[in-house]
Amino acid sequence: SQKIEQNSEALNIQEGKTATLTCNYTNYSPAYLQWYRQDPGRGPVFLLLIRENEKEKRKERLKVTFDTTLKQSLFHITASQPADSATYLCALGSQGNLIFGKGTKLSVKP
Amino acid sequence: DAGITQSPRHKVTETGTPVTLRCHQTENHRYMYWYRQDPGHGLRLIHYSYGVKDTDKGEVSDGYSVSRSKTEDFLLTLESATSSQTSVYFCAISESWEGNTEAFFGQGTRLTVV
Repeated sequence: SQKIEQNSEALNIQEGKTATLTCNYTNYSPAYLQWYRQDPGRGPVFLLLIRENEKEKRKERLKVTFDTTLKQSLFHITASQPADSATYLCALGSQGNLIFGKGTKLSVKP
Repeated sequence: DAGITQSPRHKVTETGTPVTLRCHQTENHRYMYWYRQDPGHGLRLIHYSYGVKDTDKGEVSDGYSVSRSKTEDFLLTLESATSSQTSVYFCAISESWEGNTEAFFGQGTRLTVV
């Protein structure tokens, strides 16, 4: 069956460090992969989209990689700040709908 | 914020009663989605729509029905609410179904079935 897995339910890091979140998928061949941020009590907010022919995408302190051989995407936040604390979700487009992983809750400690 | 509004934002209802949640968009996006979000399960797709009167089931559609009579409105109905349908419901919209455009989410509806 098709699966999207975000390896860690929670990730705690120190301010200033780089946070790295992982998204793995099986039985999909997505052309696109997306990352979202969700704060408590709010809907997810889009951050980045990466295409299968793109190895890497950057936006300010965010970087996403997409390895279709490993079936994995990595999401990096450099120079992390307490304001980056949130849940981060990866998502794949599949057969007309958007499928989400369960998310990784990131906590950045001052 | 994208023009997407969910109503109501909070609702408490009794087991066995019908409930309808509304999603309204002003972006004229073709695709609309209903998700539920529960601890330990993440966001799960209930139903989606790819046009007026065109809908399809998602991963957890049992006990739910949807309708889309206008581009801007997507209704989710629980015909006979059960306690297992206590959840936070999110509506989302997107321009494309291939995953190559971002999805915009509403603020969510917290539904409690007692």
